Amino acid sequence: IVMTQSPATLSVSPGERATLSCRASQSAMSNLAWYQQKPGQTPRLLIYGASTRATGIPARFRGSGSGTEFTLTINSLQSEDFAVYYCQQYHLYWTFGQGTKVEFK
Amino acid sequence: EVQLVESGGGLIQPGGSLRLSCAVSGFSVNTNNINWVRQAPGKGLEWVSVIYSSGSTYYADSVEDRFTISRDNAKNTVDLQMNTLRVGDTALYYCARSAGGTYPFDYWGQGTLVTVSS
Repeated sequence: IVMTQSPATLSVSPGERATLSCRASQSAMSNLAWYQQKPGQTPRLLIYGASTRATGIPARFRGSGSGTEFTLTINSLQSEDFAVYYCQQYHLYWTFGQGTKVEFK
Repeated sequence: EVQLVESGGGLIQPGGSLRLSCAVSGFSVNTNNINWVRQAPGKGLEWVSVIYSSGSTYYADSVEDRFTISRDNAKNTVDLQMNTLRVGDTALYYCARSAGGTYPFDYWGQGTLVTVSS
């Protein structure tokens, strides 16, 4: 399953909402995760099951979608949220999208 | 506390071999799936291989027939034997846990850097 993320880069001001998209080449059901990676750090699991927040993840991170179309919404962006975000399907083995960089506007 | 610690990376010439190891604490490798994921410098994440709790192994097409994943239940480690290395295999290699057959990666190591260059 090929995962395609858009946009490649998203410029957002603190306090604004960021909307990231992820499309699967075939249905991944709800077997979709989102990860956050900051420079020099290991990826961190944010969302699994398309919409369930992982332990300790703030409520401003919201995942939605199923099948082939998925969205990660970050409400009221905080300074610590500027990072690269990857979607990952785990329906058939595991594949990642190419990432969306959320940068300071 | 759950920890995954990779080791074995380094500089190797094209065509060479290298063996990476992932030492796990806080859970047993024989009751979880352990994956290898790599990230080329400045690039995204690429799943490489998995060893299931059952012992079954699977590989990405890009490494099939060159890489072999294995585990040592007594040492609680998972290894990745990498043969016929190519420049394109240069990356930071992470090991990561997926708790079941259809699960994301909830715990990751810090990675070990493999550089393939002449």
